[in-house]
Amino acid sequence: GDSVTQMEGPVTLSEEAFLTINCTYTATGYPSLFWYVQYPGEGLQLLLKATKADDKGSNKGFEATYRKETTSFHLEKGSVQVSDSAVYFCALSPQAGTALIFGKGTTLSVSS
Amino acid sequence: KAGVTQTPRYLIKTRGQQVTLSCSPISGHRSVSWYQQTPGQGLQFLFEYFSETQRNKGNFPGRFSGRQFSNSRSEMNVSTLELGDSALYLCASQGVDNSPLHFGNGTRLTVT
Repeated sequence: GDSVTQMEGPVTLSEEAFLTINCTYTATGYPSLFWYVQYPGEGLQLLLKATKADDKGSNKGFEATYRKETTSFHLEKGSVQVSDSAVYFCALSPQAGTALIFGKGTTLSVSS
Repeated sequence: KAGVTQTPRYLIKTRGQQVTLSCSPISGHRSVSWYQQTPGQGLQFLFEYFSETQRNKGNFPGRFSGRQFSNSRSEMNVSTLELGDSALYLCASQGVDNSPLHFGNGTRLTVT
């Protein structure tokens, strides 16, 4: 079945470091891809999305490109801040009207 | 615009009891989904309701049930609670198919 695999955490970085969180997926057809972020004590917030191959989603300095040839949707940010410390989830939607499938989540900790 | 509201935020129950969780979606959203989040299993899809009908269902036992009312508010019920049901239960609403999910802050259920 469809699935999402994320790199294991935690990821620990210093402020202003470059961030990459790897995400690969398995799906039939053409899913939509998402990154969600969860801050302590809160629900998930949509960070960015891409709905077709080669689309680049971006928000708050984060970017991810939908790569169909490598079935990947890696999250990147050029310069992280302490406030970016959170858990990041990669997810896919196989098709309209179906449930989101999430990866296990990657914990990011940024120190000053 | 008010976000997704889940009540209560915290619940402590004893094994064998039953519990009801409530979710009020964003105004105008007709789809409500429920997810269980645990450290071991991550985010797992429970079910989705759309216009008072269950549209999708995850792989959970029949002890987990839900319903949706005509105003799109949704409730989730878990009967005969087990220790393993301790989790953060997240509700999400969606405006139209394939649009992003908007999550509430969750209900933290502890079963003792």
